[in-house]
Amino acid sequence: QKEVEQDPGPLSVPEGAIVSLNCTYSNSAFQYFMWYRQYSRKGPELLMYTYSSGNKEDGRFTAQVDKSSKYISLFIRDSQPSDSATYLCALRGSGGSYIPTFGRGTSLIVHP
Amino acid sequence: DVKVTQSSRYLVKRTGEKVFLECVQDMDHENMFWYRQDPGLGLRLIYFSYDVKMKEKGDIPEGYSVSREKKERFSLILESASTNQTSMYLCASTVAGAYNEQFFGPGTRLTVL
Repeated sequence: QKEVEQDPGPLSVPEGAIVSLNCTYSNSAFQYFMWYRQYSRKGPELLMYTYSSGNKEDGRFTAQVDKSSKYISLFIRDSQPSDSATYLCALRGSGGSYIPTFGRGTSLIVHP
Repeated sequence: DVKVTQSSRYLVKRTGEKVFLECVQDMDHENMFWYRQDPGLGLRLIYFSYDVKMKEKGDIPEGYSVSREKKERFSLILESASTNQTSMYLCASTVAGAYNEQFFGPGTRLTVL
């Protein structure tokens, strides 16, 4: 079993939909949870990150962490065609396990 | 505006050739990373460096080596390219101790024939 599991999709939704992207993980030492967005032919860029459990909101994006279930989510409200990209989760611990482990990425397509 | 640049966007090489991929960052970052990205496998860490002349193996270092002679430059070397090294190669950098935000370059699509 991989440390981080992420459904590669593609996930296709109409404009304006609420999108839910998810990752599950097995390593309970993970403390930091990041979401990156990668447009076609570009490198990933950080969207947001959270520490430990709870929610974090940034505009139309909400990151949610449930450490008891080892499950993290990224919600996108009022999705736009410009949100079409691959979304990668990345998780890391602290101390000696500081290098992030990335999920495979989920391809999202928002059609007008 | 922070920037990580990679020497080539597309590269085609033949089996057995020595290949150099160059990465330069202008942010004075201490840490630099090389990943490869393959469909279905995601991002996998090849090597990283936390200081000039320092390097650590990542998850898949076999067949690769790296060089960091200057702080801003991190090179990935394929000593004898093979077809299974056909991939997208991504370079990233971070400030020392700040691993949550990695700044990535645009990637080099390497094809080995």
